[in-house]
Amino acid sequence: LAKTTQPISMDSYEGQEVNITCSHNNIATNDYITWYQQFPSQGPRFIIQGYKTKVTNEVASLFIPADRKSSTLSLPRVSLSDTAVYYCLVGDGFSGGYNKLIFGAGTRLAVHP
Amino acid sequence: GAVVSQHPSWVICKSGTSVKIECRSLDFQATTMFWYRQFPKQSLMLMATSNEGSKATYEQGVEKDKFLINHASLTLSTLTVTSAHPEDSSFYICSARDLGQGGRNTEAFFGQGTRLTVV
Repeated sequence: LAKTTQPISMDSYEGQEVNITCSHNNIATNDYITWYQQFPSQGPRFIIQGYKTKVTNEVASLFIPADRKSSTLSLPRVSLSDTAVYYCLVGDGFSGGYNKLIFGAGTRLAVHP
Repeated sequence: GAVVSQHPSWVICKSGTSVKIECRSLDFQATTMFWYRQFPKQSLMLMATSNEGSKATYEQGVEKDKFLINHASLTLSTLTVTSAHPEDSSFYICSARDLGQGGRNTEAFFGQGTRLTVV
């Protein structure tokens, strides 16, 4: 399983765009990149998933360069409610079975008024 | 979207007693579920993989006789913390993936977690 490295913490202000970068130098050909969000005393919640280039949904964008050794989660115009821990996970999506998700340390994002 | 439900949300028990935590997939079937534990300010640590109709697979360092896992149906897995001690106090979270999506590259759904406090 590819190991991921993220900044331990980040601070931002309401209305700003936040970009959290994750390094995964040993990502395998079949691996997808998935980001989860976790609030205190809650289970993680899926944010976005991608394989290459750019993926966008209603809450975030995910940018993946051609070498796929890193990825950047972009949160547009954050609000106080975006204060949470964000986890970047890398896993094999083509095995046909369910692969266990191993969580790294995550990035603790604090959004200030 | 798919929902995974855990029960109870929190529990306080006396040292030496056992506690059972349930994890249900409410609108999909899951032959495999995962159990995590999380200490304050730390990340989720995978404890074991729960397989429907077979024995669970435990991660290294996790005592299988202390953390009993039963996956009796495609929608229910249970984690029993036996002879609980204060050091077992933690946040326990289960996860499952919707097999209807072919098990490939699909998002994992997490329960809301169970806060266990052993006194």
